Amino acid sequence: GAVVSQHPSRVICKSGTSVKIECRSLDFQATTMFWYRQFPKKSLMLMATSNEGSKATYEQGVEKDKFLINHASLTLSTLTVTSAHPEDSSFYICSAEDVRETQYFGPGTRLLVL
Amino acid sequence: QKEVEQDPGPLSVPEGAIVSLNCTYSNSAFQYFMWYRQYSRKGPELLMYTYSSGNKEDGRFTAQVDKSSKYISLFIRDSQPSDSATYLCAMSAGGGGNKLTFGTGTQLKVEL
Repeated sequence: GAVVSQHPSRVICKSGTSVKIECRSLDFQATTMFWYRQFPKKSLMLMATSNEGSKATYEQGVEKDKFLINHASLTLSTLTVTSAHPEDSSFYICSAEDVRETQYFGPGTRLLVL
Repeated sequence: QKEVEQDPGPLSVPEGAIVSLNCTYSNSAFQYFMWYRQYSRKGPELLMYTYSSGNKEDGRFTAQVDKSSKYISLFIRDSQPSDSATYLCAMSAGGGGNKLTFGTGTQLKVEL
């Protein structure tokens, strides 16, 4: 149980394009999902907290107009990186919180912007 | 000072050894403590979840929390090469939608 999926697992895009990453909780409902970014050999950096049916809460320094988050249902949250640039290249990981307030992580999405 | 301190390693041990991983923290509001294992280029996998002080055992893994010392540990018995990964401690004050505060992660290598 407690499986979280992410799609795509890897994406390469041209600078200036937008990329959408999906995060799904497969066997439980998640009122809250989180989006993280991880640089090589570094810990996870929280970008935003996503609550179903309401606007996401962004961490300080994270541009909400650049990283659009939609939590349309209790099992799906999406992160859209708009007008991507090479500095947005990173490993993006989502997590979903179950009713016991335990976070389960997705396998991550590796984004490379050329 | 970081809220959560964790030695980044790398920590190298022979197969079969007992591994001890530790984190210290400064925020006394933390009540929920977790250990995650992360393989290279993968998402973190929840290993242990404990509430408040005490011990919890699951197979070869034992988690200990000492809130009075603000110190948590993860012990791995009979370590295997497949245990080679980065181990992240995480903690929160609790409550729905509560943010996790992570340690930097300890890189562990179990050698044959």
